[in-house]
Amino acid sequence: QKEVEQNSGPLSVPEGAIASLNCTYSDRGSQSFFWYRQYSGKSPELIMSIYSNGDKEDGRFTAQLNKASQYVSLLIRDSQPSDSATYLCAVRSGTYKYIFGTGTRLKVLA
Amino acid sequence: EPEVTQTPSHQVTQMGQEVILRCVPISNHLYFYWYRQILGQKVEFLVSFYNNEISEKSEIFDDQFSVERPDGSNFTLKIRSTKLEDSAMYFCASSLLLTDTQYFGPGTRLTVL
Repeated sequence: QKEVEQNSGPLSVPEGAIASLNCTYSDRGSQSFFWYRQYSGKSPELIMSIYSNGDKEDGRFTAQLNKASQYVSLLIRDSQPSDSATYLCAVRSGTYKYIFGTGTRLKVLA
Repeated sequence: EPEVTQTPSHQVTQMGQEVILRCVPISNHLYFYWYRQILGQKVEFLVSFYNNEISEKSEIFDDQFSVERPDGSNFTLKIRSTKLEDSAMYFCASSLLLTDTQYFGPGTRLTVL
């Protein structure tokens, strides 16, 4: 059974701090990795995709991928209360199937 | 900005009834997906659809489920005989290319009584 694991949280950080979210996956053949944000009762909204080892930055967000360790992370700099949400890690496993983690709930304290 | 739309936003049905959930993917997208999310649980892949046929399905997607693209714009999920455990939020998603970002619709909340 191919899995994507995340700490469910909540992860609480003060406003302005860096939030670090982690994800591990079991399918070593996975090639595409995504971070989604989901507010309560809403649909997932893409934040970042990453396909190669290393870092990818987009504004306040940085995704990091280490395929050897089967590990993906998301850093949120200068965290804002509006960043409070559940962050979902998703992995494309096989050709057409996407597997989501359970999500990490982030709380940014004003 | 183009978006995926889903109707209805909330569907209430009796156990054993058939339901059809409707989605309009982004117009030039080629790959279509259905996911479900039981309250408080993770988003689960149900099925992917490309070139008018199912490309992959999960173990959840049994004979009670079917998908169809009846015309050039709609993408539907049918549940033939609903069970209590089918109560969930159902999300449709689409992408232009296989490796591209999937864009999610707002979801249909299905409640089976």
